[in-house]
Amino acid sequence: QKEVEQDPGPLSVPEGAIVSLNCTYSNSAFQYFMWYRQYSRKGPELLMYTYSSGNKEDGRFTAQVDKSSKYISLFIRDSQPSDSATYLCAMSASGSGYSTLTFGKGTMLLVSP
Amino acid sequence: SAVISQKPSRDICQRGTSLTIQCQVDSQVTMMFWYRQQPGQSLTLIATANQGSEATYESGFVIDKFPISRPNLTFSTLTVSNMSPEDSSIYLCSVVAEMGYEQYFGPGTRLTVT
Repeated sequence: QKEVEQDPGPLSVPEGAIVSLNCTYSNSAFQYFMWYRQYSRKGPELLMYTYSSGNKEDGRFTAQVDKSSKYISLFIRDSQPSDSATYLCAMSASGSGYSTLTFGKGTMLLVSP
Repeated sequence: SAVISQKPSRDICQRGTSLTIQCQVDSQVTMMFWYRQQPGQSLTLIATANQGSEATYESGFVIDKFPISRPNLTFSTLTVSNMSPEDSSIYLCSVVAEMGYEQYFGPGTRLTVT
């Protein structure tokens, strides 16, 4: 079993839809959870950074962590064509800048006008 | 967040040759990392570039194949040596800013080995 599992998609939705992107993980030591957005031929861009369980909201984006289920989610409200990208989840056991990140494979999202 | 640039942005190289990729940051950073992103695969950490000392390599990556330099707090290079088609990938550097913990990525170098 891989440490982090993420459905590669593609996930196709119409503009305005609510999008749910998910990752599961097996390592109970993970405490810090991140979501990155990667446009085609670009580097990953940090979207959300959360610690432990709970929700964090930033504009149209909400990150949710359920450590008991080892499951994290990213919700995108009122999705836009500009949200079309690959979304990578990442996690680490430590919040230190010295900690190693473990990534999912990424989910490709396509938002049609 | 830091502004990160990489050179070259892409290259096509012949088997058996070497390519050096540069990563430049607009401010001093604590940590610099090199990752590989192969099609359909997770981002995989190659090594941590340590300023003033040898890089720290992850399992499966060796210095002879991926020598790394980090002469100061804003610059690092990754060399892909004796390349084979299996080295075709996107190579990314990432940084953690001073007093920070979030990792930011450069735009990547797309390498094709023929």
